[in-house]
Amino acid sequence: GESVGLHLPTLSVQEGDNSIINCAYSNSASDYFIWYKQESGKGPQFIIDIRSNMDKRQGQRVTVLLNKTVKHLSLQIAATQPGDSAVYFCAETRSYIPTFGRGTSLIVHP
Amino acid sequence: GAGVSQTPSNKVTEKGKYVELRCDPISGHTALYWYRQSLGQGPEFLIYFQGTGAADDSGLPNDRFFAVRPEGSVSTLKIQRTERGDSAVYLCASRRTGEDGELFFGEGSRLTVL
Repeated sequence: GESVGLHLPTLSVQEGDNSIINCAYSNSASDYFIWYKQESGKGPQFIIDIRSNMDKRQGQRVTVLLNKTVKHLSLQIAATQPGDSAVYFCAETRSYIPTFGRGTSLIVHP
Repeated sequence: GAGVSQTPSNKVTEKGKYVELRCDPISGHTALYWYRQSLGQGPEFLIYFQGTGAADDSGLPNDRFFAVRPEGSVSTLKIQRTERGDSAVYLCASRRTGEDGELFFGEGSRLTVL
């Protein structure tokens, strides 16, 4: 079946390093992708999105890359801070319904 | 309110009981979603409303689950004859329009079925 998944369930980095979180998707019909951050006990929080007609989008300290050829999505966080520690989810969207992957836990060591 | 509000924040019930979970979306948001999240997993889609109508309810696991949004604002997720496997955090999210864009999530209702 088609699914959204993550390569690394846990990522540990040092404060100040750059972080890269990867995500594979398998449905070529998906046309919109979103990264969410979820802290313990809270709902997911929007970070950045990208449409299928783009391959890169930048925000504040974050960049999302989309490679449609290999159906791969990545989230890059520059100068990672302890406050970035959370679970990160990618979601692919078809017909306005986001489907979430399992998530990657990012741990930032001071 | 400023954000999506969900009540109750915690609900403990016994197997076989009926449960209602309420979601109050951001004012003016026409799209409303319900998701279910189990420990260590991503949110799992249940149902999507555009206005008062359910645009897609393909994620509801069985006929024990039902959701309504009678006036296009507040929504209630109803679970009949609860089972232990229904234990999860139920998340509600809203979006300004029916188009793609940022979903604003509530903090969820944690349901525990004993």
